[in-house]
Amino acid sequence: AQKVTQTQTSISVVEKTTVTMDCVYETRDSSYFLFWYKQTASGEIVFLIRQDSYKKENATVGHYSLNFQKPKSSIGLIITATQIEDSAVYFCAMRVGGNYKPTFGKGTSLVVHP
Amino acid sequence: GPKVLQIPSHQIIDMGQMVTLNCDPVSNHLYFYWYKQILGQQMEFLVNFYNGKVMEKSKLFKDQFSVERPDGSYFTLKIQPTALEDSAVYFCASSPRDRRSSYEQYFGPGTRLTVL
Repeated sequence: AQKVTQTQTSISVVEKTTVTMDCVYETRDSSYFLFWYKQTASGEIVFLIRQDSYKKENATVGHYSLNFQKPKSSIGLIITATQIEDSAVYFCAMRVGGNYKPTFGKGTSLVVHP
Repeated sequence: GPKVLQIPSHQIIDMGQMVTLNCDPVSNHLYFYWYKQILGQQMEFLVNFYNGKVMEKSKLFKDQFSVERPDGSYFTLKIQPTALEDSAVYFCASSPRDRRSSYEQYFGPGTRLTVL
């Protein structure tokens, strides 16, 4: 069975700084996909970024990047130059190859203040 | 970007009644999902659906739950009869049949179901 763990319940940062959110996963599959989603205060869920297990390069999209440490089963999300509107709950998720059912972590609440 | 719509945004019903939650997925997507999220908690997978069939379902997808997408219309989640513990926000998601996207999911805004 798969498991995704986000140990940080909430993080508070000052605007324009860099924040890292942790996520560790468990799977016996050699092929898997890792995702980060953002849920805003309105409840909207937005896909942010993805890392495929077979890729060594860390994914980057805009001011989001990933710190993929495969030996540690870790996929951290890094947000650089944070903005107030980055305040949201961030979910890490995993889907194993050939399986349609993703597993989500409990989420990390990020508050960005001036 | 692509949008998934959900109707209604909020539904209040009495325990024991039937409820149907509607989802209008992204037009060229082929895989559809329902998730349940109790306030402040993580999203829990309920079911996914492809080519007119349930592909996988979780333990949360009780016998009282059913899904369908008749003739390419709304993808629906029906609960009959409802129970108090069904109160939650239900999110619909869809994804394309595209290897490159690795089944990235696009989520709707959710339907808040309140069972009294």
